[in-house]
Amino acid sequence: ILNVEQSPQSLHVQEGDSTNFTCSFPSSNFYALHWYRWETAKSPEALFVMTLNGDEKKKGRISATLNTKEGYSYLYIKGSQPEDSATYLCAFWGTYKYIFGTGTRLKVLA
Amino acid sequence: NAGVMQNPRHLVRRRGQEARLRCSPMKGHSHVYWYRQLPEEGLKFMVYLQKENIIDESGMPKERFSAEFPKEGPSILRIQQVVRGDSAAYFCASSPKVAGGPTDTQYFGPGTRLTVL
Repeated sequence: ILNVEQSPQSLHVQEGDSTNFTCSFPSSNFYALHWYRWETAKSPEALFVMTLNGDEKKKGRISATLNTKEGYSYLYIKGSQPEDSATYLCAFWGTYKYIFGTGTRLKVLA
Repeated sequence: NAGVMQNPRHLVRRRGQEARLRCSPMKGHSHVYWYRQLPEEGLKFMVYLQKENIIDESGMPKERFSAEFPKEGPSILRIQQVVRGDSAAYFCASSPKVAGGPTDTQYFGPGTRLTVL
């Protein structure tokens, strides 16, 4: 059974704190891992597409790493701001399967 | 450059009617994906298409659901004889053909919220 798990489910941090979340996915038949940012009442916004073991990607204060051998990816946010409040989704694309995690809900308190 | 467009944004149907959901990809994008979000659940992959071709429909229910992406015009997700359990938000996304497929960035539309009475 293929499963994609994200932890924690939700998270509250103070403005200025750095934080990170985990996405766990099957380590076999890996093709790509996508990270999305999803604000309430909007549509998912692509952050990163990661394909190679050891990949590290960065976009402003947000970065992500990928370990395909052990099946996990970390998303980091440095110096969180209230506008970072959103649900962060990862999605695993394996052979013939594209599976979303249930997301980590981040709330950044001013 | 306009983003991914979906219409209608809200659709109400009675049980047994047909629902047609449209998705116009971003300009230059040749790949379309459809996803469904049932109430209190996460996003689920339904189907992946390129123009005039279904690449992967492993997430589509076996009956009543079909999708197409013709050479001209939007991609259509069609649900025949809708039931209450079809009530959900349906999102489409498009991607350019760079490497082709799951390694390309996907751009999401605003979604169509289907309510079946």
